[in-house]
Amino acid sequence: SAVISQKPSRDICQRGTSLTIQCQVDSQVTMMFWYRQQPGQSLTLIATANQGSEATYESGFVIDKFPISRPNLTFSTLTVSNMSPEDSSIYLCSTGQGPFNEQYFGPGTRLTVT
Amino acid sequence: GENVEQHPSTLSVQEGDSAVIKCTYSDSASNYFPWYKQELGKRPQLIIDIRSNVGEKKDQRIAVTLNKTAKHFSLHITETQPEDSAVYFCAAPTSGTYKYIFGTGTRLKVLA
Repeated sequence: SAVISQKPSRDICQRGTSLTIQCQVDSQVTMMFWYRQQPGQSLTLIATANQGSEATYESGFVIDKFPISRPNLTFSTLTVSNMSPEDSSIYLCSTGQGPFNEQYFGPGTRLTVT
Repeated sequence: GENVEQHPSTLSVQEGDSAVIKCTYSDSASNYFPWYKQELGKRPQLIIDIRSNVGEKKDQRIAVTLNKTAKHFSLHITETQPEDSAVYFCAAPTSGTYKYIFGTGTRLKVLA
């Protein structure tokens, strides 16, 4: 499977600011996704990052809050905008690979908002 | 859409015993069921999966079984070891899409 990296690995941010998380894959992949994992919870899909077009957001997530870029087939960014303490979570990117779009995850970005 | 329920939420077993985690799904069209292991502070790792045309799949000490009629699938870990301690997630695809719904997770603790 593709090797996935994320930057930063963790950050502590002030409320009201924004943070951009980067996801880099070592090979071209069609499908890239962004998930949120709140402390002690499961994985919730935020959006699908589409190359060359706008991201597709899941219910409860909006572009103004979580803008996503996908400039090519190996890279994507997720921005968490106007942060509040409720945004404190782990954010994970993933790729979909294989006939069943099997999900492989990056190492995650641990975000703390104070 | 798909709904996935996972039980139990926590499970403690003695080292060497077996552990079983069960998930139920709602969409009868779902055709692929992965299991992930997430160690503390690490990313979820795909450990085993099963396709809908197969009833059971084994990989050393882990196995997954699928009952399509009852719409449930289970993860079986035999001869548990302390390094099996982690949170395990099941998942199922949302019918007609490329997206997955994850179960709520099971925290497995293997007691030495």
